[in-house]
Amino acid sequence: QKEVEQDPGPLSVPEGAIVSLNCTYSNSAFQYFMWYRQYSRKGPELLMYTYSSGNKEDGRFTAQVDKSSKYISLFIRDSQPSDSATYLCAMSVNTGGFKTIFGAGTRLFVKA
Amino acid sequence: GAVVSQHPSRVICKSGTSVKIECRSLDFQATTMFWYRQFPKQSLMLMATSNEGSKATYEQGVEKDKFLINHASLTLSTLTVTSAHPEDSSFYICSADGAGTEAFFGQGTRLTVV
Repeated sequence: QKEVEQDPGPLSVPEGAIVSLNCTYSNSAFQYFMWYRQYSRKGPELLMYTYSSGNKEDGRFTAQVDKSSKYISLFIRDSQPSDSATYLCAMSVNTGGFKTIFGAGTRLFVKA
Repeated sequence: GAVVSQHPSRVICKSGTSVKIECRSLDFQATTMFWYRQFPKQSLMLMATSNEGSKATYEQGVEKDKFLINHASLTLSTLTVTSAHPEDSSFYICSADGAGTEAFFGQGTRLTVV
């Protein structure tokens, strides 16, 4: 079993739709939960970062963490074509440095 | 926020040669850095943990003699791909911690072995 599971998609939605991206994990030692966005041929860009259960909102993005279920989500409201990218969930555990494990990444296409 | 600089951003080399990739933390000290590899349309896979002043810790399946890691100072880790082959062509990316809060990633290095 992988430590982090994420459906690779692709996920295609019309412009303006609400997008829901999800990951599950098995290691209860994970302390930090992140969502990264990666455009083609670029490095990952940090979108959201949280360390506790609950919701965290930043503009059109909402990150949700449920530690009891080992489940995290990213919601994108009013999706735009510019949101088309690969979204990777990631989780870190402090082993003397933040070792980060990534999900497979979900490819999102937002159609104009 | 903290900045991690990775160099070069793109390199093409001949099969059998070695390539060195540098990862620098620009405004903070990093005792630990991490190296990842990403094949096309796949996620980032952790290759190794780079520890300043000691040997790197490699993930299962990663050849330590092929991927040499040197973390000689608190701001610099290098990854050397030795005797590169076309199957080593990939996107390599490093990360380092900033003030114990999160991992910051370099821009990545796209290696093409011809």
